[in-house]
Amino acid sequence: DSGVTQTPKHLITATGQRVTLRCSPRSGDLSVYWYQQSLDQGLQFLIQYYNGEERAKGNILERFSAQQFPDLHSELNLSSLELGDSALYFCASSVGGSGFYNEQFFGPGTRLTVL
Amino acid sequence: GQQVMQIPQYQHVQEGEDFTTYCNSSTTLSNIQWYKQRPGGHPVFLIQLVKSGEVKKQKRLTFQFGEAKKNSSLHITATQTTDVGTYFCAGPSNTGKLIFGQGTTLQVKP
Repeated sequence: DSGVTQTPKHLITATGQRVTLRCSPRSGDLSVYWYQQSLDQGLQFLIQYYNGEERAKGNILERFSAQQFPDLHSELNLSSLELGDSALYFCASSVGGSGFYNEQFFGPGTRLTVL
Repeated sequence: GQQVMQIPQYQHVQEGEDFTTYCNSSTTLSNIQWYKQRPGGHPVFLIQLVKSGEVKKQKRLTFQFGEAKKNSSLHITATQTTDVGTYFCAGPSNTGKLIFGQGTTLQVKP
């Protein structure tokens, strides 16, 4: 158990819908990262927040948005869902703000299926 | 753009055989991290290498960082069924993001 929690574990929805994925980082970690993992694309970095502020951005679609709240939990919002958005979404956290120097602790993931 | 490539994509070995996965970057890296993801699980941090030519060992796992800091390898001696999973290397981009390789999936036949 990494100490990072993600809800829900599974999500099944229809095209065009909007969903929200939630992540709580490990106690004491200030950074939260969101990744998308699909079979053909591997592990793709979406976005990082550090202590409430956006720190780094990856190939995140405009239909996707995220935020980190004062209690440091984070939400990833996916809208106008398409079939291709079906994937495993991981949240990770780290103590510091440097995504590449700090060990990242991954949550169990949310499996999103868009029908 | 910047890429981190891993080979092979898949490897099947007999239990007790050795296994190596290689990671190559298109640019010089300040550091490299390795993660393991068990089937149905999430990535778990294994190690970080920072120095040129660095070699680190964790029991049967040996990690190397190339002299030019553009490549890295993970070698497992005498594989066991518990080694099954996908091994990812990850390096920093020039914009501060962590770029993951595609991973090497290891299958171990008992």
